Amino acid sequence: DTAVSQTPKYLVTQMGNDKSIKCEQNLGHDTMYWYKQDSKKFLKIMFSYNNKELIINETVPNRFSPKSPDKAHLNLHINSLELGDSAVYFCASSQDLVSVTTKNIQYFGAGTRLSVL
Amino acid sequence: GQQVMQIPQYQHVQEGEDFTTYCNSSTTLSNIQWYKQRPGGHPVFLIQLVKSGEVKKQKRLTFQFGEAKKNSSLHITATQTTDVGTYFCAGVSDSGTYKYIFGTGTRLKVLA
Repeated sequence: DTAVSQTPKYLVTQMGNDKSIKCEQNLGHDTMYWYKQDSKKFLKIMFSYNNKELIINETVPNRFSPKSPDKAHLNLHINSLELGDSAVYFCASSQDLVSVTTKNIQYFGAGTRLSVL
Repeated sequence: GQQVMQIPQYQHVQEGEDFTTYCNSSTTLSNIQWYKQRPGGHPVFLIQLVKSGEVKKQKRLTFQFGEAKKNSSLHITATQTTDVGTYFCAGVSDSGTYKYIFGTGTRLKVLA
């Protein structure tokens, strides 16, 4: 069984469209994340949720809206897609919130490769 | 804001040669993790270092955390083609920001 699963794996769409990416983890973790990896492989955190509560919201355009219906799911909806949104989006989860005292291994999904034409 | 840089950005080595990637943070870290991402794959956790000056080994991989807890290194002895991928460090600032900042990554290619 896949621990962190994302769908779809590939997403090709036109500029201006709205799309969603879904993520589910079956590890029983409390914290989930969305990362964006650009063409240069830089991995940047976008959002993190802990027990359905938004903890981190980096400087991300408000066209991106995460939703966590329960602690096992964290979906990402993107409105009015732009060319610059093309990237690989990774969902990840960890047992707890990152802190200075705990060991928090992040488990990543396989990624969603988004291409905006 | 906190920045984590890695050097080199790319490294090509002959199989059997050694490889080292260095990670430098602009702020003091409470701990640092290392991840490996195979081509077309996703990041996979390798190790976490917590103590100043800590050294950990995993077979041919040696990880070190600097004395000042602002830098770290990963050394691979006698590289193999299976070592190909991008290696990322990820650090947590000791100010407790609830997030790991990933380094810029080092892409390793091993030539057979």
